[in-house]
Amino acid sequence: DAGVIQSPRHEVTEMGQEVTLRCKPISGHDYLFWYRQTMMRGLELLIYFNNNVPIDDSGMPEDRFSAKMPNASFSTLKIQPSEPRDSAVYFCASSFPDRETGNTIYFGEGSWLTVV
Amino acid sequence: LAKTTQPISMDSYEGQEVNITCSHNNIATNDYITWYQQFPSQGPRFIIQGYKTKVTNEVASLFIPADRKSSTLSLPRVSLSDTAVYYCLVGDLSGGYNKLIFGAGTRLAVHP
Repeated sequence: DAGVIQSPRHEVTEMGQEVTLRCKPISGHDYLFWYRQTMMRGLELLIYFNNNVPIDDSGMPEDRFSAKMPNASFSTLKIQPSEPRDSAVYFCASSFPDRETGNTIYFGEGSWLTVV
Repeated sequence: LAKTTQPISMDSYEGQEVNITCSHNNIATNDYITWYQQFPSQGPRFIIQGYKTKVTNEVASLFIPADRKSSTLSLPRVSLSDTAVYYCLVGDLSGGYNKLIFGAGTRLAVHP
């Protein structure tokens, strides 16, 4: 299995620009998560989906952030307009909770975003 | 969701056994205990998971006492490559949802 695939791996953008991060979860997983990690705040859950439906978006910092999951194999996290304080590593993760794997979450390699 | 408490940092030397303890006093009946490892510039990686007693795999052992209010991750004979942040998470499978909160983790530094 290829694991969770994220793109781009690195992005540098100017303040005010739109940023779109992409994620392909592990095939067969029905939960998808978007996390953000910074030195100051650690690893924060932004939003998660179950069967392509957003379940909890209480971690999304503000209206500039939006996430979609049009199908079981693709999700996007969009920031519009971007600000320097959005600079962070954004992780996508997926999971298939069952009695065998418990609630193991599988993370992608992350998208490193720098907003200048 | 059960809150977890673990040491901020630990230091060890190559070849030693490292034990990282996590407290979770409010653990619920259905909660599993899961540990993740994160290297710099990578996403967290699952290490081990347990419900009670002891679990062992090729990487680590997880000790869970009968009251389940704490758990201890044991790394045998650590090497420099075990330098990472280790997270303890507690969560359940019930309710049809899955939401785990990562705390600050324990930053383990292994020295030569």
